[in-house]
Amino acid sequence: ETGVTQTPRHLVMGMTNKKSLKCEQHLGHNAMYWYKQSAKKPLELMFVYNFKEQTENNSVPSRFSPECPNSSHLFLHLHTLQPEDSALYLCASSQVTPPGRGVYEQYFGPGTRLTVT
Amino acid sequence: RKEVEQDPGPFNVPEGATVAFNCTYSNSASQSFFWYRQDCRKEPKLLMSVYSSGNEDGRFTAQLNRASQYISLLIRDSKLSDSATYLCVVNTRGSARQLTFGSGTQLTVLP
Repeated sequence: ETGVTQTPRHLVMGMTNKKSLKCEQHLGHNAMYWYKQSAKKPLELMFVYNFKEQTENNSVPSRFSPECPNSSHLFLHLHTLQPEDSALYLCASSQVTPPGRGVYEQYFGPGTRLTVT
Repeated sequence: RKEVEQDPGPFNVPEGATVAFNCTYSNSASQSFFWYRQDCRKEPKLLMSVYSSGNEDGRFTAQLNRASQYISLLIRDSKLSDSATYLCVVNTRGSARQLTFGSGTQLTVLP
């Protein structure tokens, strides 16, 4: 496998279900991200992990719970979602830069298209 | 004011045309700038980084104007395969390790 992979690619779940999204990066990066992309809206950053530590949580509801066991794997645990949570969930990775420097580009996985019924 | 602002388009141009997109950003401390392209129902893919001196990659030219806080992308001799949404991306929070994505400019190249 190369680049950033995500599973599953498509997911349909009811509001009472619990499911998890998985992301794996094969680029040797040390930062990983979860984004949400709803129809006709720009990408919204949800979570940032640098060296397995969560450094950003952009006011994401607690029904979304991230987990980063190591710098290559990232999970997004989902429970009691709402229909408005239906979207494309994208994982990305990048290399961390020293403080005060700019940021390197991010590479995206193919995304999980989530439908909440 | 939005952190990253783009003209949503759509831009419909004939094959072979030259087309230019502009993007403005709000944080003068931003240091990193990129253009990504996103095809329908696919993930964003890095097109090119934007450097202070401007840079070119084949038919694509990116420019940065720090004084006016805008970035541009020029596509020459456009191909049908250039049809996509082009995303302007900036790290808008100074040194924070985050990127903010514009809402994208949609381009359709017509035969």
